[in-house]
Amino acid sequence: EAGVTQFPSHSVIEKGQTVTLRCDPISGHDNLYWYRRVMGKEIKFLLHFVKESKQDESGMPNNRFLAERTGGTYSTLKVQPAELEDSGVYFCASSQTRLQTDTQYFGPGTRLTVL
Amino acid sequence: KNQVEQSPQSLIILEGKNCTLQCNYTVSPFSNLRWYKQDTGRGPVSLTIMTFSENTKSNGRYTATLDADTKQSSLHITASQLSDSASYICVVSPDNYGGATNKLIFGTGTLLAVQP
Repeated sequence: EAGVTQFPSHSVIEKGQTVTLRCDPISGHDNLYWYRRVMGKEIKFLLHFVKESKQDESGMPNNRFLAERTGGTYSTLKVQPAELEDSGVYFCASSQTRLQTDTQYFGPGTRLTVL
Repeated sequence: KNQVEQSPQSLIILEGKNCTLQCNYTVSPFSNLRWYKQDTGRGPVSLTIMTFSENTKSNGRYTATLDADTKQSSLHITASQLSDSASYICVVSPDNYGGATNKLIFGTGTLLAVQP
């Protein structure tokens, strides 16, 4: 069974440009999460989808970030326009149920560098 | 101040030795505590999950303990191997009382290096 996949693995863009990150969860997992770690800090929650609905987007830093999950399968996270402080590693995770004790399986992350 | 604090920040041990990593948290209300292992360049992988009522959980050579009264947890690694070299992250899930969110709150991790 394939794990959570993310694309691209690395992205280098200039300030002001747009970048779109993609996450494919484990097949059958309705719950999809985005997290990010900026340099030297802990991983922080961004948002949680249940199927195509945003269940919790309390961690989204500002309106330059837009997450979508059309059709309830893969998800995209768009940053527009990118700023220097957006640099970091963006992780996607998925879980099968909404149980709080359910394991969240993480993808390898997308390393974003904004110059 | 982070709600999940870990110590030490980094640790070097010799192969075959044991070690214990510490985690203190202030997250409240509390649902469960997890330990994740993260290899360089990879995503975190779950090792253990413990709820309020559990005070120990094992996964092979990894044993986690939880004291929900003092809000402390530890991860003990027995007979370390070179492949144990990684970052170990303590993660707490707040209780959402059956509500919507399943967000996780991460510590900054302990970087473990196992040397031959």
